[in-house]
Amino acid sequence: DAGVTQSPTHLIKTRGQQVTLRCSPKSGHDTVSWYQQALGQGPQFIFQYYEEEERQRGNFPDRFSGHQFPNYSSELNVNALLLGDSALYLCASSRGGANNEQFFGPGTRLTVL
Amino acid sequence: AQSVTQLGSHVSVSEGALVLLRCNYSSSVPPYLFWYVQYPNQGLQLLLKYTSAATLVKGINGFEAEFKKSETSFHLTKPSAHMSDAAEYFCAVRLTGGGNKLTFGTGTQLKVEL
Repeated sequence: DAGVTQSPTHLIKTRGQQVTLRCSPKSGHDTVSWYQQALGQGPQFIFQYYEEEERQRGNFPDRFSGHQFPNYSSELNVNALLLGDSALYLCASSRGGANNEQFFGPGTRLTVL
Repeated sequence: AQSVTQLGSHVSVSEGALVLLRCNYSSSVPPYLFWYVQYPNQGLQLLLKYTSAATLVKGINGFEAEFKKSETSFHLTKPSAHMSDAAEYFCAVRLTGGGNKLTFGTGTQLKVEL
C-alpha cells in the first residue's frame, strides 16, 4: 500500500515565478492538507481540501491556492514567489474530512533564488 | 487561540539514558495532542496521540507521553535512548471539533551519543 506521495522531490525557482506541487493521498483517504515547514521551524498549516473544496485555511496569502481532483489528489500553487517561500512543503492525507489521523508525505523542497 | 511550546530546541542524551522532551500547550478547550518524529529528508511520522481517553499514552518505538491538564503539559519520554532515536520531534495540538488543522511547535532536535 503506497503511502502519501509528493512530486517533485526538489524544485528551484526564481522570485516572481509560479510553482505547482502535487500530492497523491494514501489509498482510501479523501482529505488532503498542506503544510509549509521553513528551515528550523515546525510545519504551518496552509489549507485543507475535502470533496474538492477548500475547507479550512491557515494564515497564508492568496498567492497560495490549491485544488483537489476527483481522484482525491491535490495540487498546491504558489504565485509570485518570494525568497521567504523557500521551505519544505508537506502534504498530509486523512479519511473522512476531519478528526482522523493525518499521514504525511516526504515533502517537496522548494528553493526560491 | 491554540499554541504549542517546546522547551529546548536541542536535547542531547547518552545511549541508554532517559529521553525527556518537553511540550506545553495553550488552548481554551480540551485539545487533542500529538507527537511526531521527523528523520532527515523525510516527512512526519506519528509517534502517539492523546484524544481525551487515558492520560498516559503509549506510542511506537517505546515512547510514551502523559497529559497533565493542571500543568498544560504533554511531555514525551522514553526510558532508554537508542542511536536510532536521533531525529527531530514535534509536538502538535488540534482543537476538538476544529477540523483537522494541526498546530505544531518549533521542534526539538534529539541527539543520542555513545
